[in-house]
Amino acid sequence: DQQVKQNSPSLSVQEGRISILNCDYTNSMFDYFLWYKKYPAEGPTFLISISSIKDKNEDGRFTVFLNKSAKHLSLHIVPSQPGDSAVYFCAARGSFGNEKLTFGTGTRLTIIP
Amino acid sequence: DTAVSQTPKYLVTQMGNDKSIKCEQNLGHDTMYWYKQDSKKFLKIMFSYNNKELIINETVPNRFSPKSPDKAHLNLHINSLELGDSAVYFCASSLTGAEAFFGQGTRLTVV
Repeated sequence: DQQVKQNSPSLSVQEGRISILNCDYTNSMFDYFLWYKKYPAEGPTFLISISSIKDKNEDGRFTVFLNKSAKHLSLHIVPSQPGDSAVYFCAARGSFGNEKLTFGTGTRLTIIP
Repeated sequence: DTAVSQTPKYLVTQMGNDKSIKCEQNLGHDTMYWYKQDSKKFLKIMFSYNNKELIINETVPNRFSPKSPDKAHLNLHINSLELGDSAVYFCASSLTGAEAFFGQGTRLTVV
């Protein structure tokens, strides 16, 4: 039972354009969502997060949007740069005290120069 | 001065052997984790320790035994290794309520 889903295994975007990565979840107990970026042979690196009390969080070129009613979040990267090529994992966590992260299966983003 | 470091990075071993993976964090975090990424790239939690106490154990075979000698260390010992144990194992740490920081991973191959 995959509670966090990333339905696009891969995405290619031209350099300078916007990259949009999507994530859906099924567990309504999730209240904190994170995006991680992973390069080959390295561990996931935290990118940006959002609490369920917000619908948007921005950090430089990265913005995460949360639509609680649709149980959907997205990560926007603009402008996309070649160094953004990596696998992006969406993750979700339940209420405080349950620190377990549930991950999606990842989307491989390729930025085309 | 890597924040979360795990050793070894690669481990190739025969079925039936016992092996350990070590993890150390120098971030002062109070919670540490072991995650497993299988061949289908699913990243799933195995264990979580908070201040040396086990708080999450996700239906992992008892051949896997985590050991936390102190807050900064969480080692993973695996007995009687099986082919299906081949995966990448990630250690992570966090402050309670905050995002987790991951180590570089240990690629375990059982032959």
